[in-house]
Amino acid sequence: ILNVEQSPQSLHVQEGDSTNFTCSFPSSNFYALHWYRWETAKSPEALFVMTLNGDEKKKGRISATLNTKEGYSYLYIKGSQPEDSATYLCASPRTYKYIFGTGTRLKVLA
Amino acid sequence: GAGVSQSPRYKVAKRGQDVALRCDPISGHVSLFWYQQALGQGPEFLTYFQNEAQLDKSGLPSDRFFAERPEGSVSTLKIQRTQQEDSAVYLCASSLGQSETQYFGPGTRLLVL
Repeated sequence: ILNVEQSPQSLHVQEGDSTNFTCSFPSSNFYALHWYRWETAKSPEALFVMTLNGDEKKKGRISATLNTKEGYSYLYIKGSQPEDSATYLCASPRTYKYIFGTGTRLKVLA
Repeated sequence: GAGVSQSPRYKVAKRGQDVALRCDPISGHVSLFWYQQALGQGPEFLTYFQNEAQLDKSGLPSDRFFAERPEGSVSTLKIQRTQQEDSAVYLCASSLGQSETQYFGPGTRLLVL
């Protein structure tokens, strides 16, 4: 059974703060790690697909790193803005089945 | 282009009622998936279609759950005799192939009273 865990469960930050959260997954038989941003009443938006140990990807103020040997990925948001408020989900595929963490709910206060 | 759409967005059902949830995938996407997200949990896999063939239904919680995709595009998830524990967000996703990135719809939030 594959367990994907995310921490923290939720956090509140002030506008302009930088923040980061963690996704951990079993390192054996690793295939890929997906990050999604899910805003209320919208579709989860694909942020990153990470496959190689040491991968770093960036999209605007958001970046992510991957360590497949120890089984974790970090998501960083630099200079948080209110529009960054969302639930951030990570998922590790096992064949076609995505195994999701429970998400980190981020609230950015103006 | 158009993303994955789902309808209805919200559904309130009385216990024992049958419900049908619809998913319109991205045009040309061969693979279609259904997930269930209970309150406080991450989405969990229910079933997978490749074109019209349902290749995996191992995640369906009971025989009250039934999914179809008869023409290989639109899919319907049907829940018979709904129970309170069926209350959840039901997400649909599609992808070009089974190993490609899955793109999600906004979900249907089902509340069974």
